[in-house]
Amino acid sequence: QVQLQESGPGLVKPSQTLSLTCTVSGGSISSGSYYWSWIRQPAGKGLEWIGLIYTSGSTNYNPSLKSRVTISLDTSKNQFSLKLSSVTAADTAVYYCARVSVLEDAFDIWGQGTMVTVSS
Amino acid sequence: DIQMTQSPSSLSASVGDRVTITCRASQSISSYLNWHQQKPGKAPKLLIYGASSLQSGVPSRFSGSGSGTDFTLTISSLQPEDFATYYCQQSYSTPITFGQGTRLEIK
Repeated sequence: QVQLQESGPGLVKPSQTLSLTCTVSGGSISSGSYYWSWIRQPAGKGLEWIGLIYTSGSTNYNPSLKSRVTISLDTSKNQFSLKLSSVTAADTAVYYCARVSVLEDAFDIWGQGTMVTVSS
Repeated sequence: DIQMTQSPSSLSASVGDRVTITCRASQSISSYLNWHQQKPGKAPKLLIYGASSLQSGVPSRFSGSGSGTDFTLTISSLQPEDFATYYCQQSYSTPITFGQGTRLEIK
């Protein structure tokens, strides 16, 4: 059974870079049947898509965050990562990693989420 | 960006009720519409993909319909575990966008 687990600092200072990793277990991140995504959710609010990465390494980012976002893949560790630069309090949220099924064209498996607070 | 609008934003219902949630896209998205359920403190869970296909393991009381711009999620007979927030999400084009959510509460 495939599982995703986010990890990274829970507290980031303003203007610094938020870095999170999603570890995939129970399946290969290199499978061509899936690609990998990050989504976030501020407390009490809705879901915002951040971006995705294909197994080829190509990426697609939300234009609202594109200038600050980098998503990368580490197939040797079966992980993918998110970096969000120049963070402000508005970036405080629960960050989720998710698998996107090519067949279903949907986020079919989600990580449990990790809370990141931006504060000095 | 494609805007997704859900209605209602919140809904009170009783166990055993039939409930329908509506999602409207700002432009045609064919059948590229997914529904997710989120319980407090938990990650979302995929219920319906492709507007009407039931995700494996999801109870058959959940169903989806629609195409183009108008979609519905129906729960045929509410169970206690169904009280949650529901989000529609379009996968027609990037940026991927979600509806604002519909909170389903116990009456």
